[in-house]
Amino acid sequence: DIVMTQSPDSLAVSLGERATINCKSSQSVLDTSKNKNYLAWYQQKPGHPPKLLISWASTRESGVPDRFSGSGSATDFTLTISSLQAEDVAIYYCHQYYVTPPWTFGQGTKVEI
Amino acid sequence: QVQLVESGGGVVLPGGSLRLSCVASGFTFRSYGMHWVRQAPGRGLEWGAFIRHDGSSQYYADSVQGRFTISRDNSKNTVYLDMKTLRPDDTAVYYCVRSWGGQSPFDNWGQGTLVTVSS
Repeated sequence: DIVMTQSPDSLAVSLGERATINCKSSQSVLDTSKNKNYLAWYQQKPGHPPKLLISWASTRESGVPDRFSGSGSATDFTLTISSLQAEDVAIYYCHQYYVTPPWTFGQGTKVEI
Repeated sequence: QVQLVESGGGVVLPGGSLRLSCVASGFTFRSYGMHWVRQAPGRGLEWGAFIRHDGSSQYYADSVQGRFTISRDNSKNTVYLDMKTLRPDDTAVYYCVRSWGGQSPFDNWGQGTLVTVSS
C-alpha cells in the first residue's frame, strides 16, 4: 500500500500570508508513460464533506480560487495557498489514486489563522 | 448539479448490521464508479469500498473485507453498503463518493451519514 504522509500536522498563518502543505508518498504516483501524477488535494471545513480542490497534482477544479495551487511530482507534492483568507480555515488532505486498491489519504493538515 | 444523498445511518449494537444507501442525481450514474469513504469522529479519511460503474468488480479495505458489501442498482441510481458484524471502531461518518474510474480523483462527495456502533 502507498502511505501518504503530510507535513506539518497543523499550521497557523496570518491573513494574507502564504500557507504551504507538503505531502510525501511512500512510492511514486507518477505514470511516466502519461506524464501524469495521480495525486489530489481536498479541503474539508468543519461539519462538511471534503471538497476536491486539485487533481493530477496541479489542476485546479472549476470554481477553486487561484490562490490555491498544487505542485510536485513522483513522491513529493505541495499545496500552496498564496494569500490566506478567513474562509480557507480547514483541514487539507492529499490522496493518491495511482496504486489501487487501496486508495489512500494523508493524515490531514489543519490550517488556522 | 451532482447530488449524492446518503441514508441509513444510526445507532447499532456491536455485532449488528446496517444498510447504507446513496441516491445519485444530476449525472449519468451508470457511467461512474462509486466509493464509500468513512471518517471516524475527529479523525482523517479512510477509504472503505469501491464498485465499478457496471458493478462488475468490487474492492474493499482490509479493515472491512468480509464484513461489508458494496453493490449498486443502476436502474435506481443507487449504491449500497451492507455492513455486518459491526464493531465500535466502525463508528464514523460514511460518505458516498463519485469517481470516473479506479484511477480518478474523488470529484463529488455526499453529505455523509453517521453510523454509531455502541452498546
